Amino acid sequence: EVQLVESGGGLVQPGGSLRLSCAASGFTVSSNYMSWVRQAPGKGLEWVSVIYSGGSTYYADSVKGRFTISRDNSKNTLYLQMNSLRAEDTAVYYCAREDYYDSSGYSFDPWGQGTLVTVSS
Amino acid sequence: DIQMTQSPSSLSASVGDRVTITCRASQSISSYLNWYQQKPGKAPKLLIYAASSLQSGVPSRFSGSGSGTDFTLTISSLQPEDFATYYCQQSYSVCTFGQGTKLEIK
Repeated sequence: EVQLVESGGGLVQPGGSLRLSCAASGFTVSSNYMSWVRQAPGKGLEWVSVIYSGGSTYYADSVKGRFTISRDNSKNTLYLQMNSLRAEDTAVYYCAREDYYDSSGYSFDPWGQGTLVTVSS
Repeated sequence: DIQMTQSPSSLSASVGDRVTITCRASQSISSYLNWYQQKPGKAPKLLIYAASSLQSGVPSRFSGSGSGTDFTLTISSLQPEDFATYYCQQSYSVCTFGQGTKLEIK
């Protein structure tokens, strides 16, 4: 079964750091494009970051310079290192696979269950 | 970035109703448009990809159409489990989502 399981969320003070993990099963993280998507409480979905199979990484402007996406191929796990956290980073963070249906088009499937990050003093 | 605008933002309907949700892109995105359903406390679930292709396992009462800038998601006969929030998402360029449409029971 194809599955993603996130962990690592919690309460952190403004300016602090947190590392999220996303363990995959049923497929190989390093062979896929993997993204993080977040959802602030009561709000919509916001794409955060992607790592391509070749290792290239991209970020939303809102997190550029503060967040780092990475993976551990031996553990088949995706990570999101979040530094200099702000109150506006409070959200449920989901990892998701970019599932390509042609050379350019993709959808997010599957998704993890999400992990809540709360930035507050 | 490409802006995605959904309408309406919320919608009240009854079991058995036919419902249509619209998503408009700020520029042409060809058919690179997906639809998701999200229930409270749960991750989004893929319903439709490439504007009109039904994801495996999704009931056939869900359908999608459109290309370019205007897209629709239609539920032909609402079932109790369909009351949720629906999001569109474009993959033509840097990923963006619509703001969501909350479908509530009338």
